[in-house]
Amino acid sequence: DSGVTQTPKHLITATGQRVTLRCSPRSGDLSVYWYQQSLDQGLQFLIQYYNGEERAKGNILERFSAQQFPDLHSELNLSSLELGDSALYFCASSARSNVVTGPHSPLHFGNGTRLTVT
Amino acid sequence: GEDVEQSLFLSVREGDSSVINCTYTDSSSTYLYWYKQEPGAGLQLLTYIFSNMDMKQDQRLTVLLNKKDKHLSLRIADTQTGDSAIYFCASGYSSASKIIFGSGTRLSIRP
Repeated sequence: DSGVTQTPKHLITATGQRVTLRCSPRSGDLSVYWYQQSLDQGLQFLIQYYNGEERAKGNILERFSAQQFPDLHSELNLSSLELGDSALYFCASSARSNVVTGPHSPLHFGNGTRLTVT
Repeated sequence: GEDVEQSLFLSVREGDSSVINCTYTDSSSTYLYWYKQEPGAGLQLLTYIFSNMDMKQDQRLTVLLNKKDKHLSLRIADTQTGDSAIYFCASGYSSASKIIFGSGTRLSIRP
């Protein structure tokens, strides 16, 4: 058990809808990362937050947004959903904010939320 | 841009050694990682190597790094059925606040 909790585990919704994915980081971790895993794109970095502030942005679409709350949990909001958004969305946490999560502060992944857009 | 590539599939016989290969593009990578993903689970850090090292051994796992060719490999000795998983190579950059992952290599074990 990595200590990172993601809810829900599965989500099925229709095109055009909006969903919110939730992540609780490991106790004590200040950084939260969101990744999208799809069959054809592999694991893509979306966005990182540290202690409530956005730290880095990857290949995140404008239809997607995220935030990290004072209690350090994070939410990823996906709107105007398209079929191509169907994927596994992972949250990971790490202790530090520094630019490289070295071996002393590795990423700890949750089990993911499987989103299916029909 | 930054990229990490690895083959998608590998099949080995139980008891043999598995070698999973990875190439990366950015020579400024500071750390290189191997993560393991079992079915229905998130990625779990297996091992890592610092970019100024050539080799690292950790029980059945051996990581080899050829920095000149930007090639990383993971060798699993005496492969067991429990090693069936997807293995991700990843690189961390000192200039970026993220880790870049490869697409993952699915390792399957034949009896």
